[in-house]
Amino acid sequence: GQQLNQSPQSMFIQEGEDVSMNCTSSSIFNTWLWYKQDPGEGPVLLIALYKAGELTSNGRLTAQFGITRKDSFLNISASIPSDVGIYFCAGQLMGEGNTGKLIFGQGTTLQVKP
Amino acid sequence: NAGVTQTPKFRVLKTGQSMTLLCAQDMNHEYMYWYRQDPGMGLRLIHYSVGEGTTAKGEVPDGYNVSRLKKQNFLLGLESAAPSQTSVYFCASLPSPLANQYFGPGTRLLVL
Repeated sequence: GQQLNQSPQSMFIQEGEDVSMNCTSSSIFNTWLWYKQDPGEGPVLLIALYKAGELTSNGRLTAQFGITRKDSFLNISASIPSDVGIYFCAGQLMGEGNTGKLIFGQGTTLQVKP
Repeated sequence: NAGVTQTPKFRVLKTGQSMTLLCAQDMNHEYMYWYRQDPGMGLRLIHYSVGEGTTAKGEVPDGYNVSRLKKQNFLLGLESAAPSQTSVYFCASLPSPLANQYFGPGTRLLVL
């Protein structure tokens, strides 16, 4: 099946540091989404991107929709302990606009040391 | 609004047993999805529904069946559970194809 390659798989950083993670694919997407999952809960949407080249911020989070439509990145600035969790990218393939189906990356586990 | 709820929260099954997982949403969403989450593999789509009375296969449908008899409910059935179906199952819904997917809290299933 289609795959999104998300990296890094895990990160252990010091509070206050910036974080960057990305997703790449050989396929073209018309939507990129970034989710965060806290332990024992379902994923929650952080940022949605709908246009190639789009750069969107949500507080300390910034995400970009790659110009080729095959990749996206998420940056977190000045990390804090509550940023701990698993971050997922998700994309909607071109042609899946009628189904709402998403493909998820493998996730990036973030740990923040106070 | 309760959003998306899942029942049960946790279940232990023996190999060969059957069970049904219930997903309910009170947001009048048309689209509903069942995923399984396994370590290092993200979320994989099992089955989905684009409206009441419709269902379709996702990426990993084998061993599962679904039904969407009412718009607000999406049921996931395991006819004969196998250890490979040990996982965390998430349900999600959305009002339209380009909208955000709202996720439930998950059901943890252990098959012995």
